[in-house]
Amino acid sequence: DAGITQSPRYKITETGRQVTLMCHQTWSHSYMFWYRQDLGHGLRLIYYSAAADITDKGEVPDGYVVSRSKTENFPLTLESATRSQTSVYFCASSDRTGTLNQPQHFGDGTRLSIL
Amino acid sequence: RKEVEQDPGPFNVPEGATVAFNCTYSNSASQSFFWYRQDCRKEPKLLMSVYSSGNEDGRFTAQLNRASQYISLLIRDSKLSDSATYLCVVRSGGYQKVTFGTGTKLQVIP
Repeated sequence: DAGITQSPRYKITETGRQVTLMCHQTWSHSYMFWYRQDLGHGLRLIYYSAAADITDKGEVPDGYVVSRSKTENFPLTLESATRSQTSVYFCASSDRTGTLNQPQHFGDGTRLSIL
Repeated sequence: RKEVEQDPGPFNVPEGATVAFNCTYSNSASQSFFWYRQDCRKEPKLLMSVYSSGNEDGRFTAQLNRASQYISLLIRDSKLSDSATYLCVVRSGGYQKVTFGTGTKLQVIP
């Protein structure tokens, strides 16, 4: 049971480069999310997706692009990386039921450093 | 005022002690509440959901006080392995309207 996996686990790149973080889930959950976690800020939502081909902005979307052509994949792209995007990135998924009591389940995270 | 507020701690407690954390939320229309545990910048893991009537899972008890807008987590008989950061999570509105607290750090001391 793989659950939700992220790749790469660690990435170092330079400012101005494009970088894509991958997220794959095997549960067929409807919702998928991208968060970044920085000291003092907790987890902040970047983008989310309610289903394939449906995405929307979260709290901090600037500088990021997402797509969701298949239910199981939700890649996050930094089009032109900046040092302020150095962070730990978590992907999460959540099932959709008749109530809102479904929790989110997280991948292992990607530690991204931009030099 | 932040949507979800937690005391960052650290709470340093001896093994076997009982410790409690509170988390306050600002949106009175919040619908779902959770406690997550996070170890040393690893991924957050669901500890337990918090139900209106309160709920227990082994040594862990969660309570919800809607009138005062806070949730609590009680840990009895603390173990060294309980050392972690505990995140309060509140959902207000749709599936995506989830706000994470910045966490309370617990250190259990031998």
